[in-house]
Amino acid sequence: DQQVKQNSPSLSVQEGRISILNCDYTNSMFDYFLWYKKYPAEGPTFLISISSIKDKNEDGRFTVFLNKSAKHLSLHIVPSQPGDSAVYFCAASVGTGNQFYFGTGTSLTVIP
Amino acid sequence: DAGITQSPRHKVTETGTPVTLRCHQTENHRYMYWYRQDPGHGLRLIHYSYGVKDTDKGEVSDGYSVSRSKTEDFLLTLESATSSQTSVYFCAILQGLAYEQYFGPGTRLTVT
Repeated sequence: DQQVKQNSPSLSVQEGRISILNCDYTNSMFDYFLWYKKYPAEGPTFLISISSIKDKNEDGRFTVFLNKSAKHLSLHIVPSQPGDSAVYFCAASVGTGNQFYFGTGTSLTVIP
Repeated sequence: DAGITQSPRHKVTETGTPVTLRCHQTENHRYMYWYRQDPGHGLRLIHYSYGVKDTDKGEVSDGYSVSRSKTEDFLLTLESATSSQTSVYFCAILQGLAYEQYFGPGTRLTVT
């Protein structure tokens, strides 16, 4: 059973606009969440993380929001750039250094 | 760059043959992970290690075994490969203040 879900397989956004990628989880024990970006034929690369003691974390153009009551997190990219076109995975864990559970990914296309 | 290499990068093998994939890291990280990536499933954890000779199962460990006799090497073995094990395999290490994972470049395995 998929404990982390990304229900949108793909998303297209115009350059300069906001991209919003969503992720839902079912395990209420998860307390650490991460986003990764993946280009074809490469390994995923870490983007940003958030602990359950926070509801927002920002790093440059990337902001992650966490809604614990809804078991939902989202990644906002502002402004979107063509180089952001990639597959984005969210991941969750109980604590750190243990098992990480990944979503199925959302393919983002930023149109110039 | 976390100094992670995977070998081989590509392999084609026949059903029933044993296969070993190698993950090598150069920075003495304690935690190492093996994932497989499949369409519609995202990244799924196979096994992970939290030290030399210390390993644990992930969510899709059936048909796979691992060994870690040295800090720098984490081996994934398919004792008798099946077509369902055709996948892209990623190794990862855990590092950083955000406890993020750094992934290797991946191994594309095809079982015919």
